[in-house]
Amino acid sequence: SAVISQKPSRDICQRGTSLTIQCQVDSQVTMMFWYRQQPGQSLTLIATANQGSEATYESGFVIDKFPISRPNLTFSTLTVSNMSPEDSSIYLCSASGIPGQTNEKLFFGSGTQLSVL
Amino acid sequence: GESVGLHLPTLSVQEGDNSIINCAYSNSASDYFIWYKQESGKGPQFIIDIRSNMDKRQGQRVTVLLNKTVKHLSLQIAATQPGDSAVYFCAENSPGGGFKTIFGAGTRLFVKA
Repeated sequence: SAVISQKPSRDICQRGTSLTIQCQVDSQVTMMFWYRQQPGQSLTLIATANQGSEATYESGFVIDKFPISRPNLTFSTLTVSNMSPEDSSIYLCSASGIPGQTNEKLFFGSGTQLSVL
Repeated sequence: GESVGLHLPTLSVQEGDNSIINCAYSNSASDYFIWYKQESGKGPQFIIDIRSNMDKRQGQRVTVLLNKTVKHLSLQIAATQPGDSAVYFCAENSPGGGFKTIFGAGTRLFVKA
């Protein structure tokens, strides 16, 4: 399996500010993804974090609002920019393509609970 | 767009009984299906998976059934325990989808002691 560490685990932020969430995997992985989970709801894919190139965003998510970095095979960051209360949510980092595991099998961090005032 | 959905948002079962959680998927091109369990304050955790060339797969106390004819997926939990209380998500991958996983709406399972 893989251990995925995400930080911060929670934060309370003022509107208009930005927050960067870090995700560290304890092994090299092929794919990394960022999901958003609003209270009481399912997970919505924000983007695929591509190593060494720009992330691939899903419909409804744009780079200016959610810039993503992935400088290597074990680390990624997601920034939530110019935050508004509507951005209050749990943000989850996930990884797949872990050695010894099915390529599509996802492992998740514990998430970052973000509250925007 | 394509989506994966669930019939029941909540399910309450007695400890020791069997639980069945259902899911309908809409992308007939999906070829890999997964059930995840999410406990409060944690990220989803893999439970069991099944590929489209199978219709049943068993794990420890869990069984996944796939009916491609009606695009239906179910998770059966035998002898449900209090530790099984969580939200369960079905999810799917499709070839050409870049290994993206799309999640269904989720079912919250309550186990009564």
